[in-house]
Amino acid sequence: NAGVMQNPRHLVRRRGQEARLRCSPVKGHSHVYWYRQLPEEGLKFMVYLQKENIIDESGMPKERFSAEFPKEGPSILRIQQVVRGDSAAYFCASSPNQGGQGGSAEYFGPGTRLTVT
Amino acid sequence: TQLLEQSPQFLSIQEGENLTVYCNSSSVFSSLQWYRQEPGEGPVLLVTVVTGGEVKKLKRLTFQFGDARKDSSLHITAAQPGDTGLYLCAGAPGGGFKTIFGAGTRLFVKA
Repeated sequence: NAGVMQNPRHLVRRRGQEARLRCSPVKGHSHVYWYRQLPEEGLKFMVYLQKENIIDESGMPKERFSAEFPKEGPSILRIQQVVRGDSAAYFCASSPNQGGQGGSAEYFGPGTRLTVT
Repeated sequence: TQLLEQSPQFLSIQEGENLTVYCNSSSVFSSLQWYRQEPGEGPVLLVTVVTGGEVKKLKRLTFQFGDARKDSSLHITAAQPGDTGLYLCAGAPGGGFKTIFGAGTRLFVKA
């Protein structure tokens, strides 16, 4: 997985608690993407960030979800007041350049599996 | 809605057989990526195709990008049990930077 680190790998939260998912991109990569994958489904884009900037958050629910990629440290996906429907695998990916158009491939982390009980 | 449709959704074959999986869209893509994902892991990039009509080979895997850059295929020759996994195509339609993924083709190769 080209060095993208995610932690924790598994996270269990009760309804109403907060979930914080961390992603350290490949060294030197300044573009980070978060995706959500439900069982037996493909990955759904959530948010695209560069250092200290949110570029596109059109795939992220307006309520309860937020993401950041600070100048120092990992990118964080934060889910407040989790509900059962938030249970999914959350993947982070990074790229050295802007993804998509330029064909800059994204390198994925192993994912965080969130279970809301 | 710009979708990438993959077919078949599920494929179970014997070792040694050949197979082709497809990724189709009504939208034009500047590039398409193919990934393989194993249970409990993140997707791993196999290839990026950029030019319409392009063919790329990766050992027993052959990837093709349609002339109109709306579709792609993955052909596996003499499949092996190690090829088992979920194959995903992905791309950013219309030259944007937001990548969308197909739902995947789940391949099972029996020894």
